[in-house]
Amino acid sequence: EDQVTQSPEALRLQEGESSSLNCSYTVSGLRGLFWYRQDPGKGPEFLFTLYSAGEEKEKERLKATLTKKESFLHITAPKPEDSATYLCVIPTTGGGADGLTFGKGTHLIIQP
Amino acid sequence: DAGITQSPRHKVTETGTPVTLRCHQTENHRYMYWYRQDPGHGLRLIHYSYGVKDTDKGEVSDGYSVSRSKTEDFLLTLESATSSQTSVYFCATAGGLAGPSTGELFFGEGSRLTVL
Repeated sequence: EDQVTQSPEALRLQEGESSSLNCSYTVSGLRGLFWYRQDPGKGPEFLFTLYSAGEEKEKERLKATLTKKESFLHITAPKPEDSATYLCVIPTTGGGADGLTFGKGTHLIIQP
Repeated sequence: DAGITQSPRHKVTETGTPVTLRCHQTENHRYMYWYRQDPGHGLRLIHYSYGVKDTDKGEVSDGYSVSRSKTEDFLLTLESATSSQTSVYFCATAGGLAGPSTGELFFGEGSRLTVL
C-alpha cells in the first residue's frame, strides 16, 4: 500500500530561522511527488511537482528536493506569511483519474 | 485561480437527513473530486469523476453518492447523514490531457458539515 509520512507534525520557528520538513514515501514506481500549502479555512494550493531523484524546485523561500526514499521542503529565512500546513502528496497507485494520496501534513508556525 | 465554488460553505444538520453539497467550476476541467478532511487524517478521496456521467468510488465512499450531469457541476450526496460524516469537504478539479498525473489539483474553499 502506498504511504506518505510527514515529519514533524508541527514546527514552530522564529522569523528568519531556516529549517526543513520531511516527507518519506513508500510506493512501487514513483510517478511524481507533489507539495501543497494549506492555509487555515482554505483549500490546499499546489506548490511543486518533482518527478525524479535529484530534482529540485524553488519558489521564493521554499525549495523542494527529492531522493529515492524521501522529499524535503527547505524553508530559508521564513516570514510569518509562510505559516501554513504543508502537504506532501503522491499519485494514487493505479494511476488514471483517481487522484492523489495526501500526507497528514506539517503545521508550520513562523513567529515574528 | 481556477473558479471553483462550493455550496453551502457551512451546514448543520441532524442524523438521518439527506444532504447535498455542490461543486461548480468555470474552468471546463475534465476531472473532479470530492475529498474529506478530518483531524489526524490526510485528505481522503470520497468519489471522483473523469467526465460527464463518468464517476467512480474513492477510498471512503460508503454512505456517499455523486452525480455529474454537466461538466461544471459535481454533486455529493449523503443519503442519510451520520455523525461520522461530520467533516470538512473539499471539491477539486484537474484539467488538461494529463489531468491529475501532473499533481496539480485546484481546490475549492471547503464545505464544513456538522451532523448532530
